[in-house]
This record gives sequence, C-alpha cells and structure tokens, in this order.
Amino acid sequence: AQKVTQAQTEISVVEKEDVTLDCVYETRDTTYYLFWYKQPPSGELVFLIRRNSFDEQNEISGRYSWNFQKSTSSFNFTITASQVVDSAVYFCALSDVSSNTDKLIFGTGTRLQVFP
Amino acid sequence: DTGVSQNPRHKITKRGQNVTFRCDPISEHNRLYWYRQTLGQGPEFLTYFQNEAQLEKSRLLSDRFSAERPKGSFSTLEIQRTEQGDSAMYLCASSLGWGADTEAFFGQGTRLTVV
Repeated sequence: AQKVTQAQTEISVVEKEDVTLDCVYETRDTTYYLFWYKQPPSGELVFLIRRNSFDEQNEISGRYSWNFQKSTSSFNFTITASQVVDSAVYFCALSDVSSNTDKLIFGTGTRLQVFP
Repeated sequence: DTGVSQNPRHKITKRGQNVTFRCDPISEHNRLYWYRQTLGQGPEFLTYFQNEAQLEKSRLLSDRFSAERPKGSFSTLEIQRTEQGDSAMYLCASSLGWGADTEAFFGQGTRLTVV
C-alpha cells in the first residue's frame, strides 16, 4: 500500500531559526513522484516542489531546500531563516502512478508556527 | 484570475439537506480531481475526471455523493441527505497533461458544515 507519514504534527520556532519538516513514504512503484504543498489559512494548497524517484539530487530554492533519500524513503523539507509568513500547514504527497489518475496521496501535514 | 475557482467558499446546511458545490478548473486543464479534507488531516481523494469522463471514484464516495463534469469544463459535486460526518473542506484541483509529474493546482475549497 502507498502511504505518506509526517510524524511531526506541529512545530513552533522563532523567526530566523532553521526548521526541517520530515516526510517518509511507502510505495511499491519503481517510478514515482513526490510533492510538497503549503496550505496557508486561506485554505488553498500551494505547490512547492515536485521530485521524481530517479533524481536524488538535493534541491534549493531560496530559503527552501529538499533532501530526497531513496534509501530511507524520505523527502525532507528545510526552511532556512524562517519568517512569520512561513506559518502554514505543509503537506508531503506521493503520486499514485499505479492508477490511471495519478492522484495524490497526502500525509497528515505538519503545522508550522513561526513567532516573531 | 486564472486559478481554480470553487463556490461557495462556505456552506452551512441542516442534516438531511442536499448540497451542491461547483469547481471551475483552469481553462483547458484536462484533469480534474475532488478531494476531501477533515480537520487535522491531509486531503483524501474522492474522484477523478479526465475531460468529461469520470474514471475513478474512491470508496469514500458513498451513494449519496455524485459528481459531474459536463463537456469537460466545470465540475459539480452533490451530496444528498447530508450527514454530520460530511462536514469537511472539499477541495478541487486541476492539471494539464497525462503524467504523474504534472502539477495539480488547487482551489481554495468549500467548507461544509452540517448541523
């Protein structure tokens, strides 16, 4: 079965601290895609990154970076020098490539609160 | 604005009533998804349309739920005889293309409260 686990329910940090959000996934597919989405209080899920299973290079985008490790089935997300605007719920997701829909399987999310 | 639009944003209904939500995807996006999100949980897949064809329905979608996407444009999700357990955020997403790597764009959701 495919599954995404985000063990951290809630994280609180003070502005400018670095924070890492953990994501562990399970899949039997040899090719798959992983995603991170941000959900601010407005409710809309905002796409952050997509990574395919063949690309294990870490990626950096501004203050955001992602560490994909196939050996541990993890796809962790780090925010450097966090800001109050980073406060949101962050979801890790896995695409279900075994279906014809490529629907997303989401974790339960990590609520990040950044205090000034 | 050319994003995914959902209406209404909020809906309060009495148990037993029928409700209908609308989703307008990004123009020309061939794929459309409905997800349901309950408090403290991640979104869960409900159903998928490829153009106008409904190709997959989750087991979460009981007989009281029906979805349509006439002419492959907007989509509606109807819940008949609502129950308190139907209270949730209903999210619509659309994407363009055919692979698992396509980015899904989400609407702001419709929050349903059944009293």
